[in-house]
Formats: sequence, C-alpha cells, structure tokens
Amino acid sequence: EVQLLESGGGLVQPGGSLRLSCAASGFTLGNYAMTWVRQAPGKGLEWVSDISESGGSTYYADSVKGRFIISRDNSKNTLDLQMNSLRAEDTAVYYCAKSLGGGIYKYYFDSWGQGTLVTVSS
Amino acid sequence: QSALTQPPSVSGSPGQSVTISCTGTSSDVGSYNRVSWYQQPPGTTPKLMIYEVSNRPSGVPDRFSGSKSGNTASLTISGLQAEDEADYYCSSYTRSSTYVLFGGGTKLTVL
Repeated sequence: EVQLLESGGGLVQPGGSLRLSCAASGFTLGNYAMTWVRQAPGKGLEWVSDISESGGSTYYADSVKGRFIISRDNSKNTLDLQMNSLRAEDTAVYYCAKSLGGGIYKYYFDSWGQGTLVTVSS
Repeated sequence: QSALTQPPSVSGSPGQSVTISCTGTSSDVGSYNRVSWYQQPPGTTPKLMIYEVSNRPSGVPDRFSGSKSGNTASLTISGLQAEDEADYYCSSYTRSSTYVLFGGGTKLTVL
C-alpha cells in the first residue's frame, strides 16, 4: 500500500524558513515524479512544485519561485521542500503527492499524504 | 496565471446526474488533454477521479465520467449517491510558467 507521510510543519514568523519532509513507502520512489500541493484554510488546491524521478528537473509555481526548493533522496525514500522567506500567504496545509506515472502521467496525482500545516504569522 | 474557472456549487438529488464545468484557456485545457479531476470530501485528502480528460483510475465507479470541448472540461456524476457529496477540483497542465493549474473547486451537495 502506498503511504506518504509529511512532517515539518508548524508556526513560523514572516521571513522565516521551514523544511518539510515526506516519507514514502509501499512503492519505489525513484520511479515516479513527485509534487507538493498546498491548500490554504478553507480554500482550494494550489500546485506548488514538482520534481522528476531522478531529481534532475524541478518546477515551481510563480508564487514560490526563488523562495522554495524541492529535493528528493530516492535511497532514503524521502521528498523535501525547503521554504525560505515565508509570507503570510504561504499559510496552508502542504500535501506531498505521487504522480500516476511517467511522461504525460506525471501531471496526475494518484496518492496524497495527510498533509502538514504551515502557519506563517508573527 | 489565473486558476481554472469552476462553479462554486452544484446540487442534485440521489439518483440524478450533475455536471461540473471547468473553463480554462487555449494555453491549458484548450490545447492539452492533460485534464484531471479530484474529489475531496470534508476533512479528507484529495482523490484522483479522472485523468487525461476521461480516464478513470482503478476503483473509481463508472458513474464518474469526464469530457472536454474547446476550453471547457466537464465532470459528470450519474446516479448521485450521498457519498458523492464533496468538493471537486479540476486540474490541467498549462504551458505557462505555472506548469499545473487547479480550478477553484466546486462543492457538490446531494439533497
């Protein structure tokens, strides 16, 4: 069974940093692109960042480009999101999600973690 | 890049059919079949219901179907059941720098 478990969320002041992690199990992480999606309280889903199977290609939403860094360690079955220069508008539940497959199937997310809440406030 | 446009809410009675629309542009929905739909019941995580416009992952009932015409994709749920009550989100690849867009979400109420 595929399992994704996020950790690292919490309360941080504006301008601060936080590192989220996602522990993957039940599948071979290195065979799938992985994604971070966030959801502000009471709001809709927002795609944040994506990383290729090997980690060689990364993509970011304009809203986080230059501030967030996605990375992965396939040997440790982990996905990370380093978040810097945090703003109030970054407050959200952050989900890691597994892609359905490679190629065009990387745009579809068939397994999601339970999410970790990030609150940016003074 | 603006989110894809969905109606805020739709409703239907058990057994009826409802359709949720998702309108994008020629940079996303209109030019690519990389459209998907997610179901998120209250307090739960999103679940993939439709991918590549009209394909259902294993385990998703065939009551759920997807289609696309021009810049608008649609999710149709037939034979509505109480358990279908949830928020539904569409998503599409976009050739803009944002890469992946979500719709604002539609709350389905089963009357």
